[in-house]
Amino acid sequence: AQSVTQPDIHITVSEGASLELRCNYSYGATPYLFWYVQSPGQGLQLLLKYFSGDTLVQGIKGFEAEFKRSQSSFNLRKPSVHWSDAAEYFCAVVRRLHSGGSNYKLTFGKGTLLTVNP
Amino acid sequence: DAGITQSPRYKITETGRQVTLMCHQTWSHSYMFWYRQDLGHGLRLIYYSAAADITDKGEVPDGYVVSRSKTENFPLTLESATRSQTSVYFCASRSHPTYEQYFGPGTRLTVT
Repeated sequence: AQSVTQPDIHITVSEGASLELRCNYSYGATPYLFWYVQSPGQGLQLLLKYFSGDTLVQGIKGFEAEFKRSQSSFNLRKPSVHWSDAAEYFCAVVRRLHSGGSNYKLTFGKGTLLTVNP
Repeated sequence: DAGITQSPRYKITETGRQVTLMCHQTWSHSYMFWYRQDLGHGLRLIYYSAAADITDKGEVPDGYVVSRSKTENFPLTLESATRSQTSVYFCASRSHPTYEQYFGPGTRLTVT
């Protein structure tokens, strides 16, 4: 079963515009959630994480995300996009590797490709 | 401050050949992971290791072998490469008991 859904495959915004990337999860317990960014030819870089507490979390590069339990969402936002933000963004949730086990894995969404127009 | 490195960054090999992808981390993280990234499939876990000499299968382990004799190294071997193993391979690590993983730059492997 798909644990993380990123509904938007590709989003285009103008430089300076605001940005919201959507992420929905399906997980019974309180999830541990992450957003990663992947620039072309690079590995994944952690932007921010949510474990518990304040539902609005701040990350690097001016990004923030809000956890909404009622909507099973963890959307990523940025008030003003820069050309260097063009990349692919992945939402991820922690899940047990095996039922009843004590090891955990990250399950990733399929990613959202962000294009920034000048 | 090297973090996590992978080598080679690019590799072209022929079907049937054995190839080993290297992963090295300098943080002494207990957990290490191998993923493959393919268009349409996203990131899929191949193998992981909870500590030296402890490894286990992920979602797509067939055709791959791993070992972890030292905490800092986690090589991935394709014993007999197939075209379906053409992919970008990422190594990652995390410390216990945190959950966030830190990724290497990736190895682009092409099997001809």
